[in-house]
Amino acid sequence: KNQVEQSPQSLIILEGKNCTLQCNYTVSPFSNLRWYKQDTGRGPVSLTIMTFSENTKSNGRYTATLDADTKQSSLHITASQLSDSASYICVVSGGAGSYQLTFGKGTKLSVIP
Amino acid sequence: DAGITQSPRHKVTETGTPVTLRCHQTENHRYMYWYRQDPGHGLRLIHYSYGVKDTDKGEVSDGYSVSRSKTEDFLLTLESATSSQTSVYFCAISESGSGRAYEQYFGPGTRLTVT
Repeated sequence: KNQVEQSPQSLIILEGKNCTLQCNYTVSPFSNLRWYKQDTGRGPVSLTIMTFSENTKSNGRYTATLDADTKQSSLHITASQLSDSASYICVVSGGAGSYQLTFGKGTKLSVIP
Repeated sequence: DAGITQSPRHKVTETGTPVTLRCHQTENHRYMYWYRQDPGHGLRLIHYSYGVKDTDKGEVSDGYSVSRSKTEDFLLTLESATSSQTSVYFCAISESGSGRAYEQYFGPGTRLTVT
């Protein structure tokens, strides 16, 4: 069964600090992996998309890494801001149908002053 | 929200009543999707459409039907709402359904409560 596991479930950090979120997946065959940010009461918004051949992708203060051999990805947030408080969702494309997305349950990040 | 609107944004209904949620896009994207989001679960696909009048089931389609008579509109119908269908429903769109990195854009969501 295709699965995406994220850790930690929740995280609280001080403004200005860095943090790293983890994602492990068992989706096969693999097409691409993306990270979404979901603010409370809003729809998810894509931060990065990585294909099999890409190891690192950055979007401002967000840097995603992918190790396709170990089926792990991480999202690193640098110099966190209060506006980074949100849920971060790891999504893997692949499986039986190319349209198919498998969503993780998300990591809820709270950035406090 | 990438030119996607959902209506209504909030709805409270009673068990056994029919409910229709609407997704409208202005991007002229071919693919449209309906997801539900519940605590303790990732987003789960209900139904999707790959063109006008072309739809297919997702992983949690029981109790739901969809219709797409125009490119811009995708309707989700709960024929007889149950309390287990209390959830937040998201519509998404994409230009293609495959490819190296096809992108899905999500709407703002509809919070549905079935009492």
